[in-house]
Amino acid sequence: QLHLQESGPGLVKPSETLSLTCTVSGGSITSASYHWGWIRQSPGKGLEWIGSVYYSGSTYYNSSLKSRVILSVDTSKNQFSLKVFHMTAADTAVYYCVREWGDGYNNYFDSWGQGTLVTVSS
Amino acid sequence: SSELTQDPAVSVALGQTVRITCQGDSLRSYYGGWYQVRPGQAPALVIFDKNSRPSGIPDRFSGSSSGDTASLTITGAQAEDEADYYCSSRDRSGNQWVFGGGTKLTVL
Repeated sequence: QLHLQESGPGLVKPSETLSLTCTVSGGSITSASYHWGWIRQSPGKGLEWIGSVYYSGSTYYNSSLKSRVILSVDTSKNQFSLKVFHMTAADTAVYYCVREWGDGYNNYFDSWGQGTLVTVSS
Repeated sequence: SSELTQDPAVSVALGQTVRITCQGDSLRSYYGGWYQVRPGQAPALVIFDKNSRPSGIPDRFSGSSSGDTASLTITGAQAEDEADYYCSSRDRSGNQWVFGGGTKLTVL
């Protein structure tokens, strides 16, 4: 049974950098079938895809966040990570790490972490 | 505003059938996936590839697609189906994933 677990700070100050890590258990992050990604949900709002990373390190991002986001992968630890720079109150959200699966044309987020609430406040 | 448009709220009587729709140009080229978000829980994929269900999703959930609209149908809605439902697909450029604004389903 695949399990994804987010870890990182629950509180970040404005202008600082958020760093989150997702630890994958019950499966290998180096599987050729999957990408690994991050999705967030701001309070009272909808879901927003942030970006995805392949085990090789290749990435693709939401164009609205691309200038402030970096995704990376650590295959030795079976983890992948998210950094968001220059955090503002608008970045307050529950952040989910996810597994992305599909044929590359139609992909889906078929496994989700429990989510971690990140609040931006001084 | 989202490239995928959903009705904000829909209600259904217990045991009845409800359809939730998602409209967007990209749905002419790509399938839409559907996600259920129960209060306090992580989202869960309920429909993929137009009308396929992941393991563990009840067969009362089904999907369909026509033109620029994808639909999620719940046949015989149960109380536990009360949740927010989001569609997702690629955006018009095909370069990234987008979600609809979500539909809050109330089971009466």
